[in-house]
Parts: sequence; structure tokens; C-alpha cells
Amino acid sequence: GAVVSQHPSWVICKSGTSVKIECRSLDFQATTMFWYRQFPKQSLMLMATSNEGSKATYEQGVEKDKFLINHASLTLSTLTVTSAHPEDSSFYICSATVRDRMTDTQYFGPGTRLTVL
Amino acid sequence: RKEVEQDPGPFNVPEGATVAFNCTYSNSASQSFFWYRQDCRKEPKLLMSVYSSGNEDGRFTAQLNRASQYISLLIRDSKLSDSATYLCVVILSGSARQLTFGSGTQLTVLP
Repeated sequence: GAVVSQHPSWVICKSGTSVKIECRSLDFQATTMFWYRQFPKQSLMLMATSNEGSKATYEQGVEKDKFLINHASLTLSTLTVTSAHPEDSSFYICSATVRDRMTDTQYFGPGTRLTVL
Repeated sequence: RKEVEQDPGPFNVPEGATVAFNCTYSNSASQSFFWYRQDCRKEPKLLMSVYSSGNEDGRFTAQLNRASQYISLLIRDSKLSDSATYLCVVILSGSARQLTFGSGTQLTVLP
């Protein structure tokens, strides 16, 4: 099946620094990717939809200036957490949609665990 | 009301047991339905799609009732490796194909 990779898989940073997370589709092109966040014992919450060549669409309550998304190519979307704070510590997961026989299936990256000290 | 609601769990069952999870969705315009499985500290992985006619994959059976806006997952002869969190996932509408996740039901299969 389709493969989505993320880098880094985990990161620890000091409060106030910025962290960039990469999401790549390895064997297919993805015009749309999605970024989710998951806090412990909670479900995934969609943060934003990343569109290749255009601005991302953010969900209500997600600050676009804090979570910068760049989808510069058909295989790469990046999420930058700017001026990270401890409350931003979470599991960030990206996904991409593959259309197969009239059915859309989303494949998820392995996730990035962010810890802000 | 949440858009997708699941049994809160956790479910602790002995090996070989049959266990069923339920899920309801609030938007009648929902188009597609899935069950995903998520292991601890891992990404969700597609378990199976859910069709109106019902579908079966080995020990797993999924059913959809559009009239009641209800989805179910049945696991027969449960294995230790089935221990995970099971997420009910709905695609509401629109071209973006955004997924809406339930909060998940945790299953632990005991030896």
C-alpha cells in the first residue's frame, strides 16, 4: 500500500523554539495532505488541510500563525510549530489520500512525538 | 453532541472471546465509514471499510445502518494481538475527504 513518512519521529525542544515536521508521500503524489494532533488518551483532531501550491485550510481554533504549513511539492508537506510551548507537546500525525477504485483511503505517517520542555 | 461517538471502553476480554464495538454518527450526510486500529504510540492503520451491505474480513465483521446512523465492528475468536484502540472514522462530506474520528475504544485481550 501507499507509504507516508514523517521526520523526525520524535523531538524534544526548549520552550520558545520552532520545530519543523516533514511529511512525505513516498510512492505517490498527494495534492492534499492532512495534519492531525493527538493528546494522550484522546482521539486524533484535524488541525489543517494542506493543499499543494496553495494556502492550507485550518480548523477552527487552530492558529495559522503558530502552526505554519507549507505544501511546496506533490510529495512533501511541512508543519512548523513556531515558538513552541509545553502545551504544544503532542503526537502530530500527517496523512494523505489515495484514490483507489472510486474509494478514498487515507494513509497515515508514523507520527512525530513532540515534547516541549 | 460529538459528530462521532463510540463506546468508551475499555474492553477487557479473554482470548477467544467475541467482542463488539458500536459507533454512532450525527451527520446523516456522511458518506464513507471506516474502522481504524491504533496501537499505543503508533499511527492509525486502516482495519476495514464499512459498507451498507456489511463486510467481513476473516474474524472481523463490520456493519452499517444508515437509518440509525450506526456502525459496528465484531471481532470473533479474539487474539492477544487484537489488543489496541479501535477508532470509528467517518468522512462527512466535501471534496477534501476529511476524516472525523471517534474517541476510540480500547480493547485488551487477556491470556
